[in-house]
Amino acid sequence: GAVVSQHPSRVICKSGTSVKIECRSLDFQATTMFWYRQFPKQSLMLMATSNEGSKATYEQGVEKDKFLINHASLTLSTLTVTSAHPEDSSFYICSARGGLARSGSSYEQYFGPGTRLTVT
Amino acid sequence: GDSVTQMEGPVTLSEEAFLTINCTYTATGYPSLFWYVQYPGEGLQLLLKATKADDKGSNKGFEATYRKETTSFHLEKGSVQVSDSAVYFCALKSGGSYIPTFGRGTSLIVHP
Repeated sequence: GAVVSQHPSRVICKSGTSVKIECRSLDFQATTMFWYRQFPKQSLMLMATSNEGSKATYEQGVEKDKFLINHASLTLSTLTVTSAHPEDSSFYICSARGGLARSGSSYEQYFGPGTRLTVT
Repeated sequence: GDSVTQMEGPVTLSEEAFLTINCTYTATGYPSLFWYVQYPGEGLQLLLKATKADDKGSNKGFEATYRKETTSFHLEKGSVQVSDSAVYFCALKSGGSYIPTFGRGTSLIVHP
């Protein structure tokens, strides 16, 4: 199956700093990428959807100036948490959707392993 | 709006025990239903799906049947293994949306 990677897997940063999380589709072109946030014992909350080369669409209640999303190529999307605060500590998961190069399945949504962000 | 309700975990079982994780949903129209699994340190993987009423999805010994009359999609496995320990998410996609709505996830712990 398709592979989506995230980097870093875990990051600790100080309050007020910014941190960037990368999401890559390794063997397919992701026309659409999604960013989710997962709180402990809670479901995945969709933060935003991005299409390659265009601005991200943010869900209601998500601050677009705080969570900057860039989908610069068909294999890379980045989420930058600006001026991070302890309440931003969470598990961030990306997923990617697009046609597969080798498989007969297309437009399936594949998830990355997640990034644990801790803001101190 | 659409919503998915799962039983709270953790569910703790001994190896070879029977597993049921309950899932019920609320949606407009006729959604497609999914179970995803998240193993420790990994991303979510699609486990099985069903796209219409009475369909049964199955994979790796897991099964779930789309029950429209009870709006349910319970996950079952006859004999669990330690390697099945993971978090299981029930989800739905409604109408033409390609963005799933997830339940809260149910943690399964299987002891030897």
